[in-house]
Amino acid sequence: KAGVTQTPRYLIKTRGQQVTLSCSPISGHRSVSWYQQTPGQGLQFLFEYFSETQRNKGNFPGRFSGRQFSNSRSEMNVSTLELGDSALYLCASSGTGTANTGELFFGEGSRLTVL
Amino acid sequence: KNEVEQSPQNLTAQEGEFITINCSYSVGISALHWLQQHPGGGIVSLFMLSSGKKKHGRLIATINIQEKHSSLHITASHPRDSAVYICAVYVVGAQKLVFGQGTRLTINP
Repeated sequence: KAGVTQTPRYLIKTRGQQVTLSCSPISGHRSVSWYQQTPGQGLQFLFEYFSETQRNKGNFPGRFSGRQFSNSRSEMNVSTLELGDSALYLCASSGTGTANTGELFFGEGSRLTVL
Repeated sequence: KNEVEQSPQNLTAQEGEFITINCSYSVGISALHWLQQHPGGGIVSLFMLSSGKKKHGRLIATINIQEKHSSLHITASHPRDSAVYICAVYVVGAQKLVFGQGTRLTINP
């Protein structure tokens, strides 16, 4: 069974640009959640999707958005990039709906550097 | 004060030692996760707990809901256990995971 796949693994952007990151969950999983990890703030919840609906969003500005497609693949987008957006972006899928009820399976992450 | 506090932040031990990492939280939760992160970033879920105790191989996780405290134990530690261990709680009402700052464990041969 293939794991959670995130693309791209590494990317470099400049301030003001936008970026789109992709996450393909484990086959059959309908819940996808996104997290940002930085040395200063650690891991922080971005948003969670279930069956194409955003269930919840963390305390991030509106520049951070996401969506989920009918095949459960999810994308997140960050517009008007700032230096502080440099981070490892991780997604996780769950087979049982949410992190409240089931194990999370994480991807390897997308490491974004903003110059 | 962070909602989730881990201790210690850094831990160095010799191979074979018994390891304990602690996690305390100040919010109402419905589940607690222990995660392992190796250099390079990948995160592996070790346990999800809502009560009691779970064991997997040399790893044991316990949670005391009344005291709002969880511990992760590693028996017969090995250098391959060297990683960052992260506690995360699913906050009731907020419906999101909140993470501790992590414990960096180094096991020397």
